[in-house]
Amino acid sequence: KQEVTQIPAALSVPEGENLVLNCSFTDSAIYNLQWFRQDPGKGLTSLLLIQSSQREQTSGRLNASLDKSSGRSTLYIAASQPGDSATYLCAVRPPYGNNRLAFGKGNQVVVIP
Amino acid sequence: NAGVTQTPKFRVLKTGQSMTLLCAQDMNHEYMYWYRQDPGMGLRLIHYSVGEGTTAKGEVPDGYNVSRLKKQNFLLGLESAAPSQTSVYFCASSRGHQEAFFGQGTRLTVV
Repeated sequence: KQEVTQIPAALSVPEGENLVLNCSFTDSAIYNLQWFRQDPGKGLTSLLLIQSSQREQTSGRLNASLDKSSGRSTLYIAASQPGDSATYLCAVRPPYGNNRLAFGKGNQVVVIP
Repeated sequence: NAGVTQTPKFRVLKTGQSMTLLCAQDMNHEYMYWYRQDPGMGLRLIHYSVGEGTTAKGEVPDGYNVSRLKKQNFLLGLESAAPSQTSVYFCASSRGHQEAFFGQGTRLTVV
């Protein structure tokens, strides 16, 4: 069974610093990996989707890398802003079975002005 | 483009009551999912559907039923609500195994 881990569970950074969030997964056989953002009391917003054949994806200040062989993905957020405060979730989709997403429990981020 | 819409957004039920949560998507996605999110437990899959007329059990299906009579709608039913079903429920959809999109959630309290 795929296990997805996100450490630390919570972190605070000063505004302007780059954010680095880590996601690890136990089974390197994945179809794709998706990063989400969740604001308190809200739904999940898709940030980036990385296919298994890709090494990274970029969108604005966000960059996500994927290293399948080591079972890791990293989400970088450049020049963090208070508006980046949220919980960030990582989810992997396996290539077998019914391809159901396996979620980590998230990194709760606070950007301090 | 509304994406994934959940109805209702909030609900309080008494133990033993029944209710149906409605999920509607306008992206013509084949796959639809129901998750629950609880503190410390993360997101857990309740049921899912890979197409109209088909449903399957996820990790935590007990106490829930689902139906997918139309491609754009996925209904989650609680026949006899229990306090353990107090949670935030999320619906999601995807085009096959690609990017998943989530609704805004339904906050359910069972007293």
